[in-house]
Amino acid sequence: QKEVEQDPGPLSVPEGAIVSLNCTYSNSAFQYFMWYRQYSRKGPELLMYTYSSGNKEDGRFTAQVDKSSKYISLFIRDSQPSDSATYLCAMSRSNYQLIWGAGTKLIIKP
Amino acid sequence: SAVISQKPSRDICQRGTSLTIQCQVDSQVTMMFWYRQQPGQSLTLIATANQGSEATYESGFVIDKFPISRPNLTFSTLTVSNMSPEDSSIYLCSVVQGNNQPQHFGDGTRLSIL
Repeated sequence: QKEVEQDPGPLSVPEGAIVSLNCTYSNSAFQYFMWYRQYSRKGPELLMYTYSSGNKEDGRFTAQVDKSSKYISLFIRDSQPSDSATYLCAMSRSNYQLIWGAGTKLIIKP
Repeated sequence: SAVISQKPSRDICQRGTSLTIQCQVDSQVTMMFWYRQQPGQSLTLIATANQGSEATYESGFVIDKFPISRPNLTFSTLTVSNMSPEDSSIYLCSVVQGNNQPQHFGDGTRLSIL
């Protein structure tokens, strides 16, 4: 079993929909949780960075961490075609040794 | 966040040759890392580049194959030595700017070995 599980998709939704992306993990020692967005032929771009549990909001993006369930989520409101990309979750005990999900390919249809 | 520049952005190389990839940051950073990403796959950490000392390699990666330098707080190089087609991949540099700060990535070097 992988330490971090993430559905690779692809996930296809219509423009304007709310998108929910999720990762589950097995190591209860993880404290730092990140979501990265990666466009084709580009490096991963940090979207959200959360320490421990709780919610964090930034514009149309909301990150949730539920440590009791070992589950993290990224919500995208009012999704746009420009949100089409691969979304990678990452987590660690420190912020250095990251454990990565497989990445979910998201397609927003106009 | 820091601006991270990687050179070259892509290259096509012959089997048995070596290529050095550069990572330049526009401000001093505390840590620098090198990753490999196969097309359509997630990221695999190769090593942590330590300033003024030998890099710290992850399991499955060795210094003879992937020598790394980090002469100062803004620059690092990764060399892929004696390349084979299995080394065809995207190589990414990431940096951390301070304690409890997240990693930020460059756009990577796309390497193809013929």
